[in-house]
Amino acid sequence: AQKVTQAQTEISVVEKEDVTLDCVYETRDTTYYLFWYKQPPSGELVFLIRRNSFDEQNEISGRYSWNFQKSTSSFNFTITASQVVDSAVYFCALSEAKYSGGGADGLTFGKGTHLIIQP
Amino acid sequence: KAGVTQTPRYLIKTRGQQVTLSCSPISGHRSVSWYQQTPGQGLQFLFEYFSETQRNKGNFPGRFSGRQFSNSRSEMNVSTLELGDSALYLCASSYGLAGGPDEQYFGPGTRLTVT
Repeated sequence: AQKVTQAQTEISVVEKEDVTLDCVYETRDTTYYLFWYKQPPSGELVFLIRRNSFDEQNEISGRYSWNFQKSTSSFNFTITASQVVDSAVYFCALSEAKYSGGGADGLTFGKGTHLIIQP
Repeated sequence: KAGVTQTPRYLIKTRGQQVTLSCSPISGHRSVSWYQQTPGQGLQFLFEYFSETQRNKGNFPGRFSGRQFSNSRSEMNVSTLELGDSALYLCASSYGLAGGPDEQYFGPGTRLTVT
């Protein structure tokens, strides 16, 4: 069975600080996909990134960066120079590719990390 | 391009009743997935539809069902509502094509309260 663990329930930092959100996953498949989503107070989940298990390259998108390490089954997310607008709940998710025709075996989400950026 | 829309946004039902929620995916997306979000259990996958066929199903009782129409719009139905069904129900759409699970785009959700 697949599992995603986000051990940090809540993180509070002051604006402009860097912050890293941890994500550890478990899966028996060799082919899988990892995702990060942001859920602001409005409630709508916003897609941030998708990474497949064969691509361990780190990714940077503006102030956001992701560190994927298969050796430790982790897919951590760092926000550099945080801003108040980054305040939200962030979810890490895992999906195993079971269908050759595409689609997903549903996303397995972690419990989420509530990030609070104080001005 | 319009995003995923869900109707209604809020719903109050009584225990024992049934409810139908609707989801319109992003134009061109053929896969629609449904999730339940509660404070205790978090986000849990209900089922996925692709080209009017249920392609995958999570671990929920048979009271939870869904369907997808030829225009990719989807509905989910919950029969014999229980208090524990109170949750935010999220719909997500994606292209659902070969190459592995692609990014899913979520709607704003339907907040269901069962009294």
